[in-house]
Amino acid sequence: QVQLVESGGGVVQPGRSLRLSCAASGFTFGKNAMHWVRQAPGKGLEWVAVVSFDRSITSYADSVKGRFIISRDNSKNTLYLQMNSLRPEDTAVYYCTRGGYDSSELPKYWGQGALVTVSS
Amino acid sequence: QSALTQPPSASGSPGQSVTISCTGTSTDVGGYNYVSWYQQFPGEAPKLLIYEVTKRPSGVPDRFSGSKSGNTASLTVSGLQAEDEAEYYCSSYVGRYSVIFGRGTKLTVL
Repeated sequence: QVQLVESGGGVVQPGRSLRLSCAASGFTFGKNAMHWVRQAPGKGLEWVAVVSFDRSITSYADSVKGRFIISRDNSKNTLYLQMNSLRPEDTAVYYCTRGGYDSSELPKYWGQGALVTVSS
Repeated sequence: QSALTQPPSASGSPGQSVTISCTGTSTDVGGYNYVSWYQQFPGEAPKLLIYEVTKRPSGVPDRFSGSKSGNTASLTVSGLQAEDEAEYYCSSYVGRYSVIFGRGTKLTVL
């Protein structure tokens, strides 16, 4: 079955960087777009970014554009989120999600999430 | 882009039907058939209930159904059960490979 396991979360000071990873298994990773979605404590879901199956397309929410970079390594079945210039409002659980072959398709499968806390 | 509009709360008694609305615009819900619904329990990851407006993944009970009219999508839960008490989120494609979510609806089973 589809498994998505996030890692790399933790506590980081404002202005610093952090990289999340997501190890995927149970499906053909290289044939699916992948998204990151986050959820601040006690708040709703917020879409963060998407990367197409072949890395030709990336798109970001305005709130993270220019600071976050989504990438993938299909040879390692791994998705990444490089988060730079972190702000307190970036504090959230970050979910790795699998979309479809088409990058327009919405998230279908979700990992359990990685907590990122931005605090001095 | 603002979040899709969902009622903050909804409720029903066991066995009843409840419908949760998700209102957007012609540039998101009304413009694409990429609308999904998710169920989330406290402390857990969201789970997909409905995708592409009306489609149900395998394993999701047929008590859950989706529809869309104009700029509003709806999730109907029929034969409400105690285990359906959760937070429900809608989402929509908004073009340029971007996605938007609703603010969530807390469903209470009375």
